[in-house]
Amino acid sequence: SAVISQKPSRDICQRGTSLTIQCQVDSQVTMMFWYRQQPGQSLTLIATANQGSEATYESGFVIDKFPISRPNLTFSTLTVSNMSPEDSSIYLCSVVLSAGTANSNQPQHFGDGTRLSIL
Amino acid sequence: EDKVVQSPLSLVVHEGDTVTLNCSYEVTNFRSLLWYKQEKKAPTFLFMLTSSGIEKKSGRLSSILDKKELFSILNITATQTGDSAIYLCAVNAGGTSYGKLTFGQGTILTVHP
Repeated sequence: SAVISQKPSRDICQRGTSLTIQCQVDSQVTMMFWYRQQPGQSLTLIATANQGSEATYESGFVIDKFPISRPNLTFSTLTVSNMSPEDSSIYLCSVVLSAGTANSNQPQHFGDGTRLSIL
Repeated sequence: EDKVVQSPLSLVVHEGDTVTLNCSYEVTNFRSLLWYKQEKKAPTFLFMLTSSGIEKKSGRLSSILDKKELFSILNITATQTGDSAIYLCAVNAGGTSYGKLTFGQGTILTVHP
């Protein structure tokens, strides 16, 4: 298994500001994803972080609000821009550790999460 | 739209009880079903199921998938207070083998001493 570290663990921010969350894995991984978990809700996929190219966003999420970088196979960042109280959530990165065979299934493993509160 | 529904939404038991958590799904391109345990923030992977009728087991936890009836169950026997958590069911219905996960609402399990 891999160690998936997120920074910061938690933060309290003022509305209108932006925060960048980092996800670092101790080994090269095939896929990295970013999820949001709003209070009392389940996890919702924001985007797939693609190494060396633009992220693939899910419906309802846009690059201007949630810019994502993935410069290499072990690191990604998610920025929450121009924050409002509705952005108060837990933000989680997840990874697939290896591609396996072309038709195999691999589970996603999650980082510790970042609890974000906006005042 | 892909949908995953878990039941019950919450459950309170005493140590030693056996619990069964349910997960039903409606997706267009099923690849696998996964169970996670979430304590505090990070979901921890428990099981991944791809074939019907084959039980996955780890200690006191076990899970099985029925692809005909589109559901899965997670069983926990001899529950302990450390089993208290949110249990999440997710379905991989993406276009690739490790694509998008669609999550259910979760079951909040509370185990009293």
